[in-house]
Amino acid sequence: AQKITQTQPGMFVQEKEAVTLDCTYDTSDQSYGLFWYKQPSSGEMIFLIYQGSYDEQNATEGRYSLNFQKARKSANLVISASQLGDSAMYFCAMREGGGSYIPTFGRGTSLIVHP
Amino acid sequence: GAVVSQHPSWVICKSGTSVKIECRSLDFQATTMFWYRQFPKQSLMLMATSNEGSKATYEQGVEKDKFLINHASLTLSTLTVTSAHPEDSSFYICSAEDESMEETQYFGPGTRLLVL
Repeated sequence: AQKITQTQPGMFVQEKEAVTLDCTYDTSDQSYGLFWYKQPSSGEMIFLIYQGSYDEQNATEGRYSLNFQKARKSANLVISASQLGDSAMYFCAMREGGGSYIPTFGRGTSLIVHP
Repeated sequence: GAVVSQHPSWVICKSGTSVKIECRSLDFQATTMFWYRQFPKQSLMLMATSNEGSKATYEQGVEKDKFLINHASLTLSTLTVTSAHPEDSSFYICSAEDESMEETQYFGPGTRLLVL
């Protein structure tokens, strides 16, 4: 079973609007971390935001916020006021607290921001 | 955020040659580095976990004699693709773990390898 599920292969959003990218995860660990990365066409992976499983408040970093719903095991990324430069692949990832801390990535969501 | 460099960014080589890729953490010490492979329009596939001063831990299905990893210092890990063949052509990307930042991985810019 996949540990990270991103159900949206592609998303479109108009410039200046907000968009939500979905991510659900599967773990039996109590301690884990959730990450979002952006990968533009150049290929580099850019760290966007982190949410710890014990964090009570949703993480925010500028225009990025993470809608963390622990009971539903979801960690959706919300991008507010989309910009053309936000067009990229977005990957959700998890590091589990027990065992080897091996990171797991989802399949990614391609976001296209149009004017 | 922390900076990770990767060199070279592009390499084209003949089949049978070996290629070395370097991954450096520039402004932090990384006891753990990861090596990934990514095919077009796919997610990252973890190849191995590299720990400073010890042998790398390879994921299932990754040939350790084919993909040699050396983590000689807290800021440098290298991946050598030995006797490269066309099927090794891919995008290779490394990451370094900053333990002071909730074990966040910071990625290098990646290396595109083309084996002719």
